[in-house]
Amino acid sequence: EDQVTQSPEALRLQEGESSSLNCSYTVSGLRGLFWYRQDPGKGPEFLFTLYSAGEEKEKERLKATLTKKESFLHITAPKPEDSATYLCAVPRGDNYGQNFVFGPGTRLSVLP
Amino acid sequence: ETGVTQSPTHLIKTRGQQVTLRCSSQSGHNTVSWYQQALGQGPQFIFQYYREEENGRGNFPPRFSGLQFPNYSSELNVNALELDDSALYLCASNVDRGRVEQYFGPGTRLTVT
Repeated sequence: EDQVTQSPEALRLQEGESSSLNCSYTVSGLRGLFWYRQDPGKGPEFLFTLYSAGEEKEKERLKATLTKKESFLHITAPKPEDSATYLCAVPRGDNYGQNFVFGPGTRLSVLP
Repeated sequence: ETGVTQSPTHLIKTRGQQVTLRCSSQSGHNTVSWYQQALGQGPQFIFQYYREEENGRGNFPPRFSGLQFPNYSSELNVNALELDDSALYLCASNVDRGRVEQYFGPGTRLTVT
């Protein structure tokens, strides 16, 4: 069964304190791993798509990496505005299209 | 901005009532999916529509139904509302069902009392 887990469930950082979020996945035939940022009460905002092991992508203070079983979202010198829930998702392996399996998310709080 | 809009923003209904939520996809996107996101959880897939026909369904009962229209708009209908239906409902559009990239709307917050 396709499955996505994320850790930690919640993370509190001081401004400038770098850390990493983990996303572990089990899917038959990976067709991409997606990272989203979600602010409270809002829809997920697309951050990155990674398609193959070894791939890395960066955006401002965020860097996403992918292995065959997990992905990491590295946050370097975070700022309070980086506080949000970070979701990862993979397209389900048994069909094509946008039937995504989401992880439960990591709630990040960055304190000034 | 993803170009995907949803209405209404918030909605309060009573148990047993029916509700219709609306989504307007990006022009040219022929595929739309709906997700339910309970508080503190990741979104759960409800169903997908491709060219006005249902193209896949998650583990949701038949009282959750949908429609997709030729003008890139769609609806999610929920009958016989239950308290557990309280959630953020998200739609996501895609240029084609063969493409995995999808774009989410801002969501509709449904509260069932």
